[in-house]
Amino acid sequence: EVQLVESGGSLVHPGESLRLSCTASGFTVSTNYMNWVRQTPEKGLEWVSVLYNDGITFYADSVRGRFTISTDSSKNTLYLQMNSLRVEDTAVYYCARDLYRSARLRGMDVWGQGTTVTVSS
Amino acid sequence: EVVLTQSPATLSLSPGERATLSCRASQSVNNYLAWYQQRPGQAPRLLIYDASSRATGVPGRFSGSGSETDFTLTISSLEPEDFAVYYCQHRLNWPSTFGQGTKVEIK
Repeated sequence: EVQLVESGGSLVHPGESLRLSCTASGFTVSTNYMNWVRQTPEKGLEWVSVLYNDGITFYADSVRGRFTISTDSSKNTLYLQMNSLRVEDTAVYYCARDLYRSARLRGMDVWGQGTTVTVSS
Repeated sequence: EVVLTQSPATLSLSPGERATLSCRASQSVNNYLAWYQQRPGQAPRLLIYDASSRATGVPGRFSGSGSETDFTLTISSLEPEDFAVYYCQHRLNWPSTFGQGTKVEIK
Protein backbone atom coordinates (compact mmCIF):
# COMPACT_ATOMS: atom_id res chain seq x y z
CA GLU A 1 0.00 0.00 0.00
CA VAL A 2 1.23 3.45 -0.93
CA GLN A 3 1.34 5.55 2.23
CA LEU A 4 2.99 8.55 3.89
CA VAL A 5 3.27 8.97 7.63
CA GLU A 6 4.39 12.27 9.15
CA SER A 7 5.85 12.79 12.60
CA GLY A 8 7.74 15.40 14.58
CA GLY A 9 5.06 18.02 15.17
CA SER A 10 5.21 19.68 18.56
CA LEU A 11 4.70 22.83 20.61
CA VAL A 12 7.76 25.11 20.39
CA HIS A 13 8.63 28.69 21.25
CA PRO A 14 9.28 31.42 18.67
CA GLY A 15 12.84 31.26 17.40
CA GLU A 16 13.25 27.55 18.08
CA SER A 17 13.81 24.74 15.56
CA LEU A 18 11.91 21.58 14.69
CA ARG A 19 12.37 18.76 12.18
CA LEU A 20 9.40 17.05 10.61
CA SER A 21 9.68 13.57 9.12
CA CYS A 22 7.58 11.85 6.47
CA THR A 23 8.18 8.14 5.96
CA ALA A 24 6.93 6.50 2.81
CA SER A 25 5.84 2.96 2.14
CA GLY A 26 4.92 1.41 -1.18
CA PHE A 27 7.12 3.75 -3.22
CA THR A 28 10.56 5.37 -3.13
CA VAL A 29 10.73 8.96 -1.90
CA SER A 30 14.02 9.79 -3.61
CA THR A 31 12.75 8.95 -7.10
CA ASN A 32 9.61 11.05 -6.77
CA TYR A 33 8.72 14.72 -6.43
CA MET A 34 7.85 15.44 -2.83
CA ASN A 35 6.13 18.42 -1.23
CA TRP A 36 5.32 19.90 2.13
CA VAL A 37 1.99 21.69 2.38
CA ARG A 38 0.59 23.33 5.51
CA GLN A 39 -2.93 24.24 6.54
CA THR A 40 -4.47 26.67 8.96
CA PRO A 41 -8.13 27.63 9.45
CA GLU A 42 -7.24 31.24 8.66
CA LYS A 43 -5.09 30.82 5.54
CA GLY A 44 -6.25 27.46 4.26
CA LEU A 45 -3.84 25.29 2.30
CA GLU A 46 -0.40 26.76 1.65
CA TRP A 47 2.32 25.06 -0.36
CA VAL A 48 5.63 25.22 1.53
CA SER A 49 8.35 23.41 -0.38
CA VAL A 50 9.12 20.83 -3.06
CA LEU A 51 12.07 18.49 -3.64
CA TYR A 52 12.58 17.15 -7.14
CA ASN A 53 14.08 13.72 -7.72
CA ASP A 54 17.23 15.39 -9.08
CA GLY A 55 17.72 17.42 -5.90
CA ILE A 56 16.26 20.73 -7.06
CA THR A 57 14.28 22.52 -4.36
CA PHE A 58 11.80 25.38 -4.25
CA TYR A 59 10.37 27.21 -1.26
CA ALA A 60 7.52 29.57 -0.52
CA ASP A 61 8.70 33.12 0.13
CA SER A 62 7.39 32.89 3.68
CA VAL A 63 9.81 30.09 4.62
CA ARG A 64 12.78 30.55 2.29
CA GLY A 65 16.01 30.83 4.26
CA ARG A 66 14.45 29.27 7.36
CA PHE A 67 13.16 25.87 6.18
CA THR A 68 15.11 23.11 4.40
CA ILE A 69 13.63 20.11 2.61
CA SER A 70 15.68 16.93 2.25
CA THR A 71 15.50 13.15 2.04
CA ASP A 72 17.28 10.14 3.53
CA SER A 73 17.15 7.35 0.95
CA SER A 74 18.22 4.70 3.44
CA LYS A 75 15.14 5.49 5.52
CA ASN A 76 12.83 6.32 2.59
CA THR A 77 11.98 9.47 4.48
CA LEU A 78 11.39 13.12 3.61
CA TYR A 79 12.29 15.83 6.09
CA LEU A 80 11.48 19.46 6.72
CA GLN A 81 13.99 21.24 8.93
CA MET A 82 12.33 24.35 10.31
CA ASN A 83 14.51 26.99 11.96
CA SER A 84 13.71 30.40 13.43
CA LEU A 85 10.08 29.40 13.84
CA ARG A 86 7.45 32.11 14.03
CA VAL A 87 3.94 32.18 15.45
CA GLU A 88 2.64 32.32 11.88
CA ASP A 89 4.25 28.94 11.13
CA THR A 90 1.63 27.31 13.36
CA ALA A 91 -0.23 24.83 11.16
CA VAL A 92 -0.91 21.23 10.30
CA TYR A 93 1.92 20.12 8.03
CA TYR A 94 1.33 17.53 5.32
CA CYS A 95 3.80 15.79 3.09
CA ALA A 96 2.53 14.90 -0.35
CA ARG A 97 3.81 13.12 -3.43
CA ASP A 98 3.43 14.90 -6.73
CA LEU A 99 2.07 13.13 -9.77
CA TYR A 100 4.64 13.49 -12.55
CA ARG A 101 3.46 12.79 -16.09
CA SER A 102 4.66 13.94 -19.47
CA ALA A 103 7.37 16.15 -18.00
CA ARG A 104 5.04 18.10 -15.70
CA LEU A 105 3.77 17.92 -12.15
CA ARG A 106 0.02 17.37 -12.32
CA GLY A 107 -1.33 17.14 -8.78
CA MET A 108 -0.52 15.79 -5.33
CA ASP A 109 -1.78 12.22 -5.38
CA VAL A 110 -0.57 10.79 -2.08
CA TRP A 111 -0.84 12.68 1.22
CA GLY A 112 0.12 11.90 4.78
CA GLN A 113 -2.26 12.36 7.67
CA GLY A 114 -0.57 15.57 8.86
CA THR A 115 1.42 16.59 11.92
CA THR A 116 0.65 19.65 14.03
CA VAL A 117 3.21 22.36 14.70
CA THR A 118 2.33 25.00 17.27
CA VAL A 119 4.62 27.99 17.76
CA SER A 120 3.71 29.94 20.85
CA SER A 121 5.36 31.78 23.69
CA GLU B 1 1.99 34.72 -7.77
CA VAL B 2 -1.25 33.32 -9.18
CA VAL B 3 -4.28 34.00 -7.00
CA LEU B 4 -7.13 31.48 -7.18
CA THR B 5 -10.61 32.61 -6.16
CA GLN B 6 -13.24 29.97 -5.49
CA SER B 7 -16.96 30.52 -5.44
CA PRO B 8 -19.27 30.17 -3.75
CA ALA B 9 -17.73 29.88 -0.30
CA THR B 10 -20.53 27.53 0.73
CA LEU B 11 -22.93 25.48 -1.35
CA SER B 12 -25.99 24.06 0.40
CA LEU B 13 -27.47 21.14 -1.52
CA SER B 14 -29.35 17.90 -0.98
CA PRO B 15 -28.11 14.39 -1.82
CA GLY B 16 -28.80 13.64 -5.46
CA GLU B 17 -28.49 17.25 -6.55
CA ARG B 18 -25.87 18.60 -8.93
CA ALA B 19 -23.01 20.70 -7.53
CA THR B 20 -21.14 23.26 -9.59
CA LEU B 21 -18.02 24.81 -8.08
CA SER B 22 -15.99 27.61 -9.65
CA CYS B 23 -12.29 28.50 -9.52
CA ARG B 24 -10.97 31.65 -11.19
CA ALA B 25 -7.26 32.40 -11.68
CA SER B 26 -5.74 35.87 -11.62
CA GLN B 27 -3.79 35.00 -14.76
CA SER B 28 -3.84 32.17 -17.27
CA VAL B 29 -2.70 28.82 -15.91
CA ASN B 30 -3.39 27.03 -19.22
CA ASN B 31 -5.05 23.79 -18.10
CA TYR B 32 -2.63 23.24 -15.21
CA LEU B 33 -5.28 23.07 -12.53
CA ALA B 34 -6.07 20.40 -9.94
CA TRP B 35 -9.06 19.86 -7.66
CA TYR B 36 -8.99 18.27 -4.21
CA GLN B 37 -11.60 17.05 -1.76
CA GLN B 38 -11.05 17.32 1.98
CA ARG B 39 -13.33 15.65 4.47
CA PRO B 40 -13.25 16.68 8.15
CA GLY B 41 -10.17 15.40 9.92
CA GLN B 42 -8.64 14.03 6.72
CA ALA B 43 -5.92 15.09 4.34
CA PRO B 44 -6.84 16.47 0.92
CA ARG B 45 -7.51 13.92 -1.82
CA LEU B 46 -6.68 14.53 -5.47
CA LEU B 47 -9.79 14.39 -7.64
CA ILE B 48 -8.91 16.10 -10.92
CA TYR B 49 -5.68 17.16 -12.60
CA ASP B 50 -5.03 19.00 -15.86
CA ALA B 51 -8.42 20.63 -15.35
CA SER B 52 -10.39 17.62 -16.55
CA SER B 53 -8.53 14.35 -15.94
CA ARG B 54 -9.87 12.23 -13.11
CA ALA B 55 -7.30 10.84 -10.70
CA THR B 56 -7.12 7.09 -10.08
CA GLY B 57 -10.15 5.74 -8.27
CA VAL B 58 -12.24 8.90 -8.50
CA PRO B 59 -15.91 8.20 -9.30
CA GLY B 60 -17.29 9.27 -12.64
CA ARG B 61 -19.76 11.70 -11.04
CA PHE B 62 -16.83 14.10 -10.59
CA SER B 63 -15.83 16.07 -13.66
CA GLY B 64 -13.70 19.10 -14.32
CA SER B 65 -13.70 21.62 -17.12
CA GLY B 66 -12.24 24.95 -18.11
CA SER B 67 -8.97 26.46 -19.23
CA GLU B 68 -6.87 29.64 -18.95
CA THR B 69 -8.54 31.47 -16.03
CA ASP B 70 -11.97 29.88 -15.48
CA PHE B 71 -12.51 26.38 -14.18
CA THR B 72 -15.42 24.32 -12.92
CA LEU B 73 -15.74 21.19 -10.82
CA THR B 74 -19.07 19.43 -11.24
CA ILE B 75 -20.49 16.67 -9.09
CA SER B 76 -23.36 15.27 -11.12
CA SER B 77 -25.36 13.73 -8.28
CA LEU B 78 -24.23 14.26 -4.71
CA GLU B 79 -23.62 11.21 -2.55
CA PRO B 80 -23.52 11.51 1.26
CA GLU B 81 -19.72 11.15 1.25
CA ASP B 82 -19.33 14.10 -1.14
CA PHE B 83 -20.24 16.70 1.48
CA ALA B 84 -16.81 18.14 2.13
CA VAL B 85 -14.55 21.07 1.27
CA TYR B 86 -13.13 21.34 -2.24
CA TYR B 87 -9.96 23.18 -3.20
CA CYS B 88 -8.43 24.11 -6.54
CA GLN B 89 -4.67 24.41 -7.02
CA HIS B 90 -2.71 25.63 -10.01
CA ARG B 91 0.34 23.75 -11.28
CA LEU B 92 1.68 26.40 -13.64
CA ASN B 93 4.78 27.28 -11.65
CA TRP B 94 6.08 27.83 -8.10
CA PRO B 95 4.60 28.87 -5.78
CA SER B 96 1.74 26.52 -6.48
CA THR B 97 -1.17 28.23 -4.78
CA PHE B 98 -4.54 26.93 -3.60
CA GLY B 99 -7.94 28.53 -3.63
CA GLN B 100 -9.61 29.26 -0.31
CA GLY B 101 -12.06 26.39 -0.71
CA THR B 102 -15.77 25.76 -1.27
CA LYS B 103 -17.69 23.91 1.39
CA VAL B 104 -20.45 21.66 0.08
CA GLU B 105 -22.90 21.16 2.93
CA ILE B 106 -26.13 19.27 3.34
CA LYS B 107 -29.18 21.46 2.91
